[in-house]
Amino acid sequence: EDQVTQSPEALRLQEGESSSLNCSYTVSGLRGLFWYRQDPGKGPEFLFTLYSAGEEKEKERLKATLTKKESFLHITAPKPEDSATYLCAVQEYSGYALNFGKGTSLLVTP
Amino acid sequence: EAQVTQNPRYLITVTGKKLTVTCSQNMNHEYMSWYRQDPGLGLRQIYYSMNVEVTDKGDVPEGYKVSRKEKRNFPLILESPSPNQTSLYFCASSGDRGYEQYFGPGTRLTVT
Repeated sequence: EDQVTQSPEALRLQEGESSSLNCSYTVSGLRGLFWYRQDPGKGPEFLFTLYSAGEEKEKERLKATLTKKESFLHITAPKPEDSATYLCAVQEYSGYALNFGKGTSLLVTP
Repeated sequence: EAQVTQNPRYLITVTGKKLTVTCSQNMNHEYMSWYRQDPGLGLRQIYYSMNVEVTDKGDVPEGYKVSRKEKRNFPLILESPSPNQTSLYFCASSGDRGYEQYFGPGTRLTVT
């Protein structure tokens, strides 16, 4: 069973059409949850770290939130340059390994 | 400029021929890690290192070796590569326990 499940697998939005990406996780004790952005052919780029339920972080048009079972990445009024794959990862208290979800591929059309 | 470098960027090799992919970071980070990325399987951690001489297995360590003799370098060794190790490999580093990782540009490996 996957520890980290991201949905949807792919999402197509019109420019300006807000939406949310979901990351659900099943770990016994969460040390941290991380969001990354990956452009085609490049390494992932760090976006946010969330530590505890109720926490929120914002950066430009992106806002990440965390509950006890899932995290959301809200994209407000997206632009074509927001097109990328968004990855979620978790780290448990039991160690320092990281477990990534399979990602959500976002396409924003003009 | 803060960066993680990997070499080579592209490599085609044959089954059984030992190879090393190098990874170096210039940020004095303690945590370094190797991942492989495959279509449909996502990004999976191979090994990570919390500091010099300290390494630990990730999700998919079989067929790989690592060493951490210096803080800045974390090479990935495939002693007898097989076709199922054909993949895109990323090295990453972090200043704090794996949080906020900086990723390298990737190494595309093909084993025939």
